[in-house]
Amino acid sequence: DTGVSQDPRHKITKRGQNVTFRCDPISEHNRLYWYRQTLGQGPEFLTYFQNEAQLEKSRLLSDRFSAERPKGSFSTLEIQRTEQGDSAMYLCASSLGLAGNEQFFGPGTRLTVL
Amino acid sequence: AQSVTQPDIHITVSEGASLELRCNYSYGATPYLFWYVQSPGQGLQLLLKYFSGDTLVQGIKGFEAEFKRSQSSFNLRKPSVHWSDAAEYFCAVEGNAGNMLTFGGGTRLMVKP
Repeated sequence: DTGVSQDPRHKITKRGQNVTFRCDPISEHNRLYWYRQTLGQGPEFLTYFQNEAQLEKSRLLSDRFSAERPKGSFSTLEIQRTEQGDSAMYLCASSLGLAGNEQFFGPGTRLTVL
Repeated sequence: AQSVTQPDIHITVSEGASLELRCNYSYGATPYLFWYVQSPGQGLQLLLKYFSGDTLVQGIKGFEAEFKRSQSSFNLRKPSVHWSDAAEYFCAVEGNAGNMLTFGGGTRLMVKP
């Protein structure tokens, strides 16, 4: 399967713990996006990469959130000192990075913070 | 800043009936518009997109959408709904920053037998 994959699919953690999610994009895609989706809402853009460069991160929800794409392939999203309000689905998408191109979404990682 | 409004949170239609899901957008330039579908446990799947040309666009699974600039709308339609169409539908507009997508709140479609 050459689609976007995300790991883990589910994560349950206690408040205050750090969590890290991984996204593997479609191999030839140079753009990689992270979105957050809370219950009953549409996805909300967080950040994106062009190859290994993070070109937009002002939409990250707080300084507890950070993302990397060290070699321009897979990416990780880390949340430090998790809070109950961080409970959500975290979606990754990739694309060829041209205007109007389809973003292909992964299945998401569902985070539950107890 | 761009925004998308989907006025209908839930819609129920009978199988075989026609469907129209509403989407209104706000964007300063010619928009790139998308409709995605999300089924339980599945990732978002693109149904169709508009970025220029013919204002009536055809998509997968028998869906179509019409772009109306004067009304800032991009409504999704299907002439005959199947039970397997039950899902959540999202309209989105592409913004400037890295082609980020701004999504509406979604419309949950239920199909009655």
